Amino acid sequence: AQTVTQSQPEMSVQEAETVTLSCTYDTSESDYYLFWYKQPPSRQMILVIRQEAYKQQNATENRFSVNFQKAAKSFSLKISDSQLGDAAMYFCALNAGGTSYGKLTFGQGTILTVHP
Amino acid sequence: AAGVIQSPRHLIKEKRETATLKCYPIPRHDTVYWYQQGPGQDPQFLISFYEKMQSDKGSIPDRFSAQQFSDYHSELNMSSLELGDSALYFCASSLQDLYGYTFGSGTRLTVV
Repeated sequence: AQTVTQSQPEMSVQEAETVTLSCTYDTSESDYYLFWYKQPPSRQMILVIRQEAYKQQNATENRFSVNFQKAAKSFSLKISDSQLGDAAMYFCALNAGGTSYGKLTFGQGTILTVHP
Repeated sequence: AAGVIQSPRHLIKEKRETATLKCYPIPRHDTVYWYQQGPGQDPQFLISFYEKMQSDKGSIPDRFSAQQFSDYHSELNMSSLELGDSALYFCASSLQDLYGYTFGSGTRLTVV
């Protein structure tokens, strides 16, 4: 079985500052994929960033980057230069099926508030 | 670019009624997934289909059934609705061998 844990129910950040959201996971698979999804009040699930477990290099997408620590089974999301539009629920998700497709196991989510 | 289309966007049903949710995947995507997200909860995987065959099954109640049709659209049928079925139901689609998949905007089901 796979589990994903987000230990921060809520986080807040000042506009233009940097914030890090934490995520830990557990799986017995050696090949898996990790994702961060953003869910704004519209409830749309938007892919923020993704990481293949076999890649040692941390993924980066503009202001979003991850710190992937495979041995520690940790996958944190760093948002730099935070913007008001970043305010949303953020979900960490794991696909442990050995492929990039297949069912996702989600964490409990972290609500991010951005203060002007 | 075409996205995953779900209909209806909102649905209100009474207890013990039946509901049908529809999902139209991105063209050429061959796999469809259904997720249920209760209020304040994370999405839970229900079921998936690959090439019109069930490929994986999660915590889907026996009262629910789903299928994928020849045009790759999928329907989630929910019978004997209960108050606890009130949730946001997401559909997502992917093409095998591609990286990750795309979610639809969801159907919000309210059971009263």
